[in-house]
Amino acid sequence: EPEVTQTPSHQVTQMGQEVILRCVPISNHLYFYWYRQILGQKVEFLVSFYNNEISEKSEIFDDQFSVERPDGSNFTLKIRSTKLEDSAMYFCANARVEGYTFGSGTRLTVV
Amino acid sequence: DAKTTQPTSMDCAEGRAANLPCNHSTISGNEYVYWYRQIHSQGPQYIIHGLKNNETNEMASLIITEDRKSSTLILPHATLRDTAVYYCIVRVAGEGAQKLVFGQGTRLTINP
Repeated sequence: EPEVTQTPSHQVTQMGQEVILRCVPISNHLYFYWYRQILGQKVEFLVSFYNNEISEKSEIFDDQFSVERPDGSNFTLKIRSTKLEDSAMYFCANARVEGYTFGSGTRLTVV
Repeated sequence: DAKTTQPTSMDCAEGRAANLPCNHSTISGNEYVYWYRQIHSQGPQYIIHGLKNNETNEMASLIITEDRKSSTLILPHATLRDTAVYYCIVRVAGEGAQKLVFGQGTRLTINP
């Protein structure tokens, strides 16, 4: 079964630094999503991306966040100036008729 | 907020059927019931979905009441690897349709 691949699996960064989380979605899927999960809390929607632009974003997705498809295949989430509260698992996902396929996630730890 | 209500936790013996209930009394006519699960801190995994008829696949069965206000996910022969948090979500079907809104889910523990 096709997979969504995320790198790195774990990233530690200092507060205030920029991080880029990468995702290789399933080919020929058009809708991409980022979700996050703070330890012990619910999975939360961040942003959806279609046709090379953001189609919906949550309140969490403020000016510190951005998404791109820099080369037509990879899908990235950038956090410009990380805060301690950005520490979480970040999941990339593709949507299909049957449902979503999620990646295995990137654990971001901000120190 | 999530439109579904699930028990916080459940236990089931290995080899037995695990029946996970979900209430979705405000479901709309064009919304499907989806089930996902999350094993430890992995990405959520799609299990099954349905509109009004009962559905079965290699992973589970989904029973939806006639009024569509509740449903039950059935894992027919639970194994230790089925220990996970199970999420019941209602959404409009179709590629790229609504985002998923996760609740707290049901933490299912399969006991040896």
